Amino acid sequence: ETGVTQSPTHLIKTRGQQVTLRCSSQSGHNTVSWYQQALGQGPQFIFQYYREEENGRGNFPPRFSGLQFPNYSSELNVNALELDDSALYLCASSFKGLRNEVELFFGEGSRLTVL
Amino acid sequence: DQQVKQNSPSLSVQEGRISILNCDYTNSMFDYFLWYKKYPAEGPTFLISISSIKDKNEDGRFTVFLNKSAKHLSLHIVPSQPGDSAVYFCAAPRALMNYGGSQGNLIFGKGTKLSVKP
Repeated sequence: ETGVTQSPTHLIKTRGQQVTLRCSSQSGHNTVSWYQQALGQGPQFIFQYYREEENGRGNFPPRFSGLQFPNYSSELNVNALELDDSALYLCASSFKGLRNEVELFFGEGSRLTVL
Repeated sequence: DQQVKQNSPSLSVQEGRISILNCDYTNSMFDYFLWYKKYPAEGPTFLISISSIKDKNEDGRFTVFLNKSAKHLSLHIVPSQPGDSAVYFCAAPRALMNYGGSQGNLIFGKGTKLSVKP
């Protein structure tokens, strides 16, 4: 059973640039959630994808967008990068369908630095 | 608005002793709570959860207690081991889990860094 994998693990961008982060969900999982973890903070929910559609969104501007593919992998895109976007971006997969699924399985994260 | 609060940024305990990590919440509608553990350079991993219909859940060395009237939960680790040294996050799903909601949208606290000294 393969776990959640994210790429790249580290990257540096400059203000105004665009970035794409990728996530492969755990085998058998059909839902992907993305979180932003700033330094010294807990993870903050960005959005969730289920059946290739956005299925819930946190308090993030539209320049944060995403995709989910038929194989349940996912991308997070951030346009017009700002300094405050510097953070660890976490992807988590789960299986939607159980009445009370308990666990989110997180990847190791992509650390983005915006200069 | 910090709906899930972990007011202790760090905690240091001796190996073999009890570690108690605390978490407070403000939203009385929360019906499920989770604890995640995070090592450096790794993603958070699920540790233990509790439904609001219970006041205690135990899994090996880990026990979570829920006090709904005080809107407070705590994670007890007994006995603490050096490998338990990590950041611990308390979290609650924004959706109502006892009504079939999904916990994909979790509200996390800021975390408590636990150091267990040999």
